[in-house]
Amino acid sequence: AQSVTQPDIHITVSEGASLELRCNYSYGATPYLFWYVQSPGQGLQLLLKYFSGDTLVQGIKGFEAEFKRSQSSFNLRKPSVHWSDAAEYFCAGGGYNKLIFGAGTRLAVHP
Amino acid sequence: DVKVTQSSRYLVKRTGEKVFLECVQDMDHENMFWYRQDPGLGLRLIYFSYDVKMKEKGDIPEGYSVSREKKERFSLILESASTNQTSMYLCASSSATGFGDTEAFFGQGTRLTVV
Repeated sequence: AQSVTQPDIHITVSEGASLELRCNYSYGATPYLFWYVQSPGQGLQLLLKYFSGDTLVQGIKGFEAEFKRSQSSFNLRKPSVHWSDAAEYFCAGGGYNKLIFGAGTRLAVHP
Repeated sequence: DVKVTQSSRYLVKRTGEKVFLECVQDMDHENMFWYRQDPGLGLRLIYFSYDVKMKEKGDIPEGYSVSREKKERFSLILESASTNQTSMYLCASSSATGFGDTEAFFGQGTRLTVV
């Protein structure tokens, strides 16, 4: 069965530090992969998506993600975190006409 | 600006009540979804619809039903609310390709408390 796993429930980083959020997928073929962000009290906003081609994908707000087929991973990165990046981040995989979400990673940013 | 609008941000209902959560999208999308969000569980799909009057069960359909009489509107119905249905409910829509390669647009969510 298709599944998406985010191993880290909570992550805390200092402002200005680099960030990597992990995502692993289990799909039969190359999946369509997404990262969404949810700020407190808000709906989900798309950060970036991977369909095919270049395995390093650039998104909004300075985020990027790298698709690694050998590791079944699609990790989200940012070189320097801002306090406004504190939010919950969801990795998702595209199935037939629907998305399958991971459990989410809550990011806290210390000043 | 694209928009998915959920009729209520917060709702408090009593056990046993019939509850309606409404969602409207203005993007002429074929697909609409209802997800439930709980801490540590991520988003779990309750139902989705790929066309007017068409629906499919998601991962956790028990205790819920849906209605889609018009393309832009998708309603989630709790037939008899129970305390274990206290949660955040998120509506989303996307265009249909059949391949899962389209972005989903989300509403702001309805936080439902059943007492």
